[in-house]
Amino acid sequence: GAVVSQHPSWVICKSGTSVKIECRSLDFQATTMFWYRQFPKQSLMLMATSNEGSKATYEQGVEKDKFLINHASLTLSTLTVTSAHPEDSSFYICSARVSLNTGELFFGEGSRLTVL
Amino acid sequence: AQSVTQLGSHVSVSEGALVLLRCNYSSSVPPYLFWYVQYPNQGLQLLLKYTTGATLVKGINGFEAEFKKSETSFHLTKPSAHMSDAAEYFCAVSVSGGSYIPTFGRGTSLIVHP
Repeated sequence: GAVVSQHPSWVICKSGTSVKIECRSLDFQATTMFWYRQFPKQSLMLMATSNEGSKATYEQGVEKDKFLINHASLTLSTLTVTSAHPEDSSFYICSARVSLNTGELFFGEGSRLTVL
Repeated sequence: AQSVTQLGSHVSVSEGALVLLRCNYSSSVPPYLFWYVQYPNQGLQLLLKYTTGATLVKGINGFEAEFKKSETSFHLTKPSAHMSDAAEYFCAVSVSGGSYIPTFGRGTSLIVHP
């Protein structure tokens, strides 16, 4: 099946710094990728839809300037958490849409961000 | 808009017992339904999916689910639980009107006792 690779798996940073998380589709081209945030013991919260070559579509309540998403190629989308604060600590998961007509997704391994 | 309800945030079974995780959906158009599994500190992995055709779908690791339109349900079952099945399970639905962006349920944590 399709493989989505996410890096880094774990990252610890200081308050005020920025962190970039990469999401790559390894064996297929992903025109659309999704970024989720997951709080402990909770479901996935869709943050934004990333479309190759265009601006990301953010869900209501997600700060565009805080969570910068770039999808510059058909195999790479990045999420940059800018000026990170401890409340940004979370598990971030990317996914790529495999089928345009069903919504089936392949997920990355997730990235655990801890902001000190 | 579509929605998913997973009954029970935790389900506890003994090893070898039947696993039943419940999922009900709401949609005004024919849905596509998915079950994903998540192990600690990992992403989600597709267990099985219903798109069209046979309403009983088989997935990986011995899991299966049946789409019941009359009950708007897509419950996940496995005849005999194994310790390695302990994980978080998410039901998801997508529809054409929602641009096929899936909506996820809250998740059900499966606990397997020896």
